[in-house]
Amino acid sequence: SQQGEEDPQALSIQEGENATMNCSYKTSINNLQWYRQNSGRGLVHLILIRSNEREKHSGRLRVTLDTSKKSSSLLITASRAADTASYFCATVSYGNKLVFGAGTILRVKS
Amino acid sequence: SQTIHQWPATLVQPVGSPLSLECTVEGTSNPNLYWYRQAAGRGLQLLFYSVGIGQISSEVPQNLSASRPQDRQFILSSKKLLLSDSGFYLCAWGTGGSSDTQYFGPGTRLTVL
Repeated sequence: SQQGEEDPQALSIQEGENATMNCSYKTSINNLQWYRQNSGRGLVHLILIRSNEREKHSGRLRVTLDTSKKSSSLLITASRAADTASYFCATVSYGNKLVFGAGTILRVKS
Repeated sequence: SQTIHQWPATLVQPVGSPLSLECTVEGTSNPNLYWYRQAAGRGLQLLFYSVGIGQISSEVPQNLSASRPQDRQFILSSKKLLLSDSGFYLCAWGTGGSSDTQYFGPGTRLTVL
């Protein structure tokens, strides 16, 4: 079963704009991860944030985690056409298995 | 560096035929291995995972089975495919543990007609 739910389901922006995707989950977690999937390809790990962390950065990516609201957000700044992909959050609870959400489809128009 | 291979890349099979998808990992030892299925426009559903040779855990009762005959080889099988088995199958490996990051193969697109 899916734990994470991404919002929005689809997002279309212009190149150079920022893109924000949200993820909500239901149970306590050990960490939360974000992955990217280009069309018809495997997933690529982007960033991991632990339950005791509130914010993390990696290049143009910024991830926040609010465990009281059971939610996370992924911000991509200064988006590029190459950022066009599906983005998934995945939670890790005790048991160490990833549970993926349904994903957000991001389209960056040049 | 580690790499993960899956084959075939695409497969079209008739209903009732058998299935064998293979996944191999290079550059690491004793990885955790995973099989996922992704329906169109959806997230990933974990089908099987393995923490060692011959050790398989099934997450969802279904028409499929998995085997791990060697440390870095993971096979997904079916004796008789159903229409509902169509989808995108992804293999992944990880080092295990609570902060495990998973590394995915390129996937196999299976169409059952």
